Amino acid sequence: AQKVTQAQTEISVVEKEDVTLDCVYETRDTTYYLFWYKQPPSGELVFLIRRNSFDEQNEISGRYSWNFQKSTSSFNFTITASQVVDSAVYFCALSEATSYDKVIFGPGTSLSVIP
Amino acid sequence: DGGITQSPKYLFRKEGQNVTLSCEQNLNHDAMYWYRQDPGQGLRLIYYSQIVNDFQKGDIAEGYSVSREKKESFPLTVTSAQKNPTAFYLCASSSVVRTGREKLFFGSGTQLSVL
Repeated sequence: AQKVTQAQTEISVVEKEDVTLDCVYETRDTTYYLFWYKQPPSGELVFLIRRNSFDEQNEISGRYSWNFQKSTSSFNFTITASQVVDSAVYFCALSEATSYDKVIFGPGTSLSVIP
Repeated sequence: DGGITQSPKYLFRKEGQNVTLSCEQNLNHDAMYWYRQDPGQGLRLIYYSQIVNDFQKGDIAEGYSVSREKKESFPLTVTSAQKNPTAFYLCASSSVVRTGREKLFFGSGTQLSVL
């Protein structure tokens, strides 16, 4: 069965600290997609990144970086030099090619960046 | 600007009452979705539609109904059969649902509470 686990419910960091948000997934498919979404206090989820199961190359985009490891079924998200604007709930999500009409979301990690 | 508009932002339901949440998109997307978000939980799929006049139940469809008469619109009705309707409801859309790789675009949500 497909499942996404985000073990960290809430994280607080002081501004400029680095923070890593963990995501572990379960799937039987060989072809799948992983996503990260950000939900600021306004409520609207915003897409951050998508990776497919065949591309384990890590990615960096500005202060954000993602570490995808199939061996441990993890897709972790790191924010470098955190800022107050990074305060939000972050969701990891999984979509399988064989059930493409369903996206499974993790429970989310609430990040608070304290000035 | 293209996007998804949800209304109202806040909605109150009396016992035994049906209420309808509006979702309109001008992204020309084929697929639309309704998710329910409860505190500390991930998003759970209520209904989705890949084409006009067609829709499918998600994981928690009981007590809800939808219609898709126009490509742009996907209203959700919370019926009196839904005994625990208090939650944050998010509407989303995607361009095509074929492979699972499509990212979702979200509205800003409707908070439904029971009086």
